[in-house]
Amino acid sequence: EVQLVESGGGLVQPGGSLRLSCAASGFTFSSYEMNWVRQAPGKGLEWVSYISSTGRTTYYADSVKGRFTISRDNAKNSLYLQMKSLRAEDTAVYYCARDIKTTVTWFDYWGQGTLVTVSS
Amino acid sequence: EIVLTQSPATLSLYPGERATLSCRASQSVSSYLAWYQQKPGQAPRLLIYDASNRATGIPARFSGTGSGTDFTLTISSLEAEDFAVYYCQQRSNWPGTFGQGTKLEIK
Repeated sequence: EVQLVESGGGLVQPGGSLRLSCAASGFTFSSYEMNWVRQAPGKGLEWVSYISSTGRTTYYADSVKGRFTISRDNAKNSLYLQMKSLRAEDTAVYYCARDIKTTVTWFDYWGQGTLVTVSS
Repeated sequence: EIVLTQSPATLSLYPGERATLSCRASQSVSSYLAWYQQKPGQAPRLLIYDASNRATGIPARFSGTGSGTDFTLTISSLEAEDFAVYYCQQRSNWPGTFGQGTKLEIK
């Protein structure tokens, strides 16, 4: 069974940092591209970042570029999101999501999410 | 950026009824459209990809149609567990965008 379990969320002050983790199991993690997607309280979904299966290629939403860094450790079946210079508007549930490629790529499995609250 | 507009914002129906949810794109996305279901406190779940293909384990009562700018998610006969929020997503251009969601509620 595919499982994605996020951790590392919490309350942080504006300007602070936080590192999210996503532990993967039930599939060959190193073969899949991965993403972070977030959802502000009561709002819709926003893609945040992508990483290739090897980790060599990464992409970011403009809203987080230069502040967030995605990475992975295939030996540990883990995905990470290092977040710096956090703002109130970064408050959201952060989900890790696996890519499945058909004609393009879709998010076929998601974790349960971890809540990040940026507030003083 | 391609904007996806979902309608209605809220849909109130009885169990057993047919649900029709709409997603309209601001420009053509070909068939690069997916639908996700999200229940309160849960992660989204992929229902339909490439406009009309059901994801693994999705019941046959869910179907997707459309191409270009107009798409529809149909639930043929609503069951209690289908009441949730539904999002469409396009990936015609990277990184893709989501619609704002349609809340399907029990009447």
